[in-house]
Amino acid sequence: GAGVSQTPSNKVTEKGKYVELRCDPISGHTALYWYRQSLGQGPEFLIYFQGTGAADDSGLPNDRFFAVRPEGSVSTLKIQRTERGDSAVYLCASSLEGNYEQFFGPGTRLTVL
Amino acid sequence: GDSVTQMEGPVTLSEEAFLTINCTYTATGYPSLFWYVQYPGEGLQLLLKATKADDKGSNKGFEATYRKETTSFHLEKGSVQVSDSAVYFCALSDLRRGADGLTFGKGTHLIIQP
Repeated sequence: GAGVSQTPSNKVTEKGKYVELRCDPISGHTALYWYRQSLGQGPEFLIYFQGTGAADDSGLPNDRFFAVRPEGSVSTLKIQRTERGDSAVYLCASSLEGNYEQFFGPGTRLTVL
Repeated sequence: GDSVTQMEGPVTLSEEAFLTINCTYTATGYPSLFWYVQYPGEGLQLLLKATKADDKGSNKGFEATYRKETTSFHLEKGSVQVSDSAVYFCALSDLRRGADGLTFGKGTHLIIQP
């Protein structure tokens, strides 16, 4: 079956712009996670959804970052007033439930000029 | 907070050499431990895991044992192949603390030469 997909694969934007990154989880997976991976670092947890609700958003760095999952499937990570420090690979993962194996997507590489 | 420390890379070995990648962790609860692998051009994949002390996770010839007394989860393989070249990440999850996301180390780039 299809794995986790993320679009776009690459996004280049200018400082101050708004961006949206999309994640399509594996069908039937109720848990969805967003991570950010900066160059030379491991992935850093941002937010976890169980169904439609954000069960844990403790990793969001500030209020410029927001994520939604309105129907409990596709999720969108939204970044307002982007800064150069937001440049990273944004990874999405899904799992059957909250404490099962997480399956990762290929990531979206965001570059803020 | 929770943290994972793993050896710096790149690690360069010849084919059929013995591999160890060290990983130690700090956690307030009683975490589950994981090794993830990222092959060139691919996404992160779970390699193996262990959920309690003295558990040994194994897959594809790789092994790691959950050592609570030394807070370690070192990755080993007896005879590496060129196809093992990848970036390896040690990670933990601490559900008892109520944290649902994984905490990752920085990753170790492994290069196997023929």
